[in-house]
Amino acid sequence: NAGVTQTPKFQVLKTGQSMTLQCAQDMNHNSMYWYRQDPGMGLRLIYYSASEGTTDKGEVPNGYNVSRLNKREFSLRLESAAPSQTSVYFCASSLYEGNEQFFGPGTRLTVL
Amino acid sequence: KNQVEQSPQSLIILEGKNCTLQCNYTVSPFSNLRWYKQDTGRGPVSLTIMTFSENTKSNGRYTATLDADTKQSSLHITASQLSDSASYICVVTPFNKFYFGSGTKLNVKP
Repeated sequence: NAGVTQTPKFQVLKTGQSMTLQCAQDMNHNSMYWYRQDPGMGLRLIYYSASEGTTDKGEVPNGYNVSRLNKREFSLRLESAAPSQTSVYFCASSLYEGNEQFFGPGTRLTVL
Repeated sequence: KNQVEQSPQSLIILEGKNCTLQCNYTVSPFSNLRWYKQDTGRGPVSLTIMTFSENTKSNGRYTATLDADTKQSSLHITASQLSDSASYICVVTPFNKFYFGSGTKLNVKP
């Protein structure tokens, strides 16, 4: 039972490059989330998926897109990376919206 | 505006000592309040969850208190250990939204 897994763990991009962050959970949770964490700031919600087949914007969605591929997987895409997107990205899941969230180990992204 | 403020930003204590971390919030309506522990380089892990009607909850050496009237919570750590070195994040939930504090970074020194 791996919980929430994220790939890759680390990534360095040049400005303008694109990439997809992968997230998977094996807890049969319905809701999944993408956050970014910057120094001195709380976790900020980028996008979330309340249930399979739905996605909604969070607090800071600009520059990102998401796909809820199936119940297990929720990916985050940066189409044209910018230095302001340098951050640590966390994926989380919960049984339903509002329930306790379980977090993945994070992806540390640097955009040069 | 819905906000969660934590203090202090950082704290250094000696191993074996107790400490208390504070969380003040303006989030309304209120559903529950959670404390998470985040080790360096890891994702946050839930320590406690408290609903409106609870004012104390313990998890081993961690005790959380909640005063819903003054919108304040605290996390008390007893007999600290080196493994308690981490960031502690307060999260307030009005139903399906999550408001995160920026955390208190605790460093326990031998």
